[in-house]
Amino acid sequence: DAGITQSPRHKVTETGTPVTLRCHQTENHRYMYWYRQDPGHGLRLIHYSYGVKDTDKGEVSDGYSVSRSKTEDFLLTLESATSSQTSVYFCAISRGSGNTIYFGEGSWLTVV
Amino acid sequence: GIQVEQSPPDLILQEGANSTLRCNFSDSVNNLQWFHQNPWGQLINLFYIPSGTKQNGRLSATTVATERYSLLYISSSQTTDSGVYFCAVHTGTASKLTFGTGTRLQVTL
Repeated sequence: DAGITQSPRHKVTETGTPVTLRCHQTENHRYMYWYRQDPGHGLRLIHYSYGVKDTDKGEVSDGYSVSRSKTEDFLLTLESATSSQTSVYFCAISRGSGNTIYFGEGSWLTVV
Repeated sequence: GIQVEQSPPDLILQEGANSTLRCNFSDSVNNLQWFHQNPWGQLINLFYIPSGTKQNGRLSATTVATERYSLLYISSSQTTDSGVYFCAVHTGTASKLTFGTGTRLQVTL
């Protein structure tokens, strides 16, 4: 157990509304990540963080922003949700030798 | 960017059978990890294996970095092995992993 909690776990929202997903970790890891998972695409990196207020883009960052004001929390915001952002979102941390990745349980987001 | 291909895309086994899953990647890597996603969506890290061989119970993995592939072996498969197996690689320093599209395994009684 890597001590990762995602919230909400399930959400249905309307097109055009803002949505924030929260990732909380209890073990003071430096690196945190947001991935999305879609059929046929596997998992794709949205944004990652390498410290408080230090973030960078992944391969599918358009339409998403992130913030990390505390070590333990990494927030993913969809400023104006679109149907193409319907997906399963996974938060992850890396730790140990080789920066082994550990995932949270996922957040199912449906944009209608 | 780096390309990651997994084969086969789908695999059906009877309980007790052995299997080999393959992961090919298009460039040199300094990190390779294998994951299992169970039918409930939970992603579990199986191995960190940038090179060499590791074993964990009925699972083992081998990465031949110079030839740009990794293999995941499952012996005496059980129904609980069902799910999707992903390999993921990266070449940088921040563990920005690039995932393959996975091998879906179904183990039947």
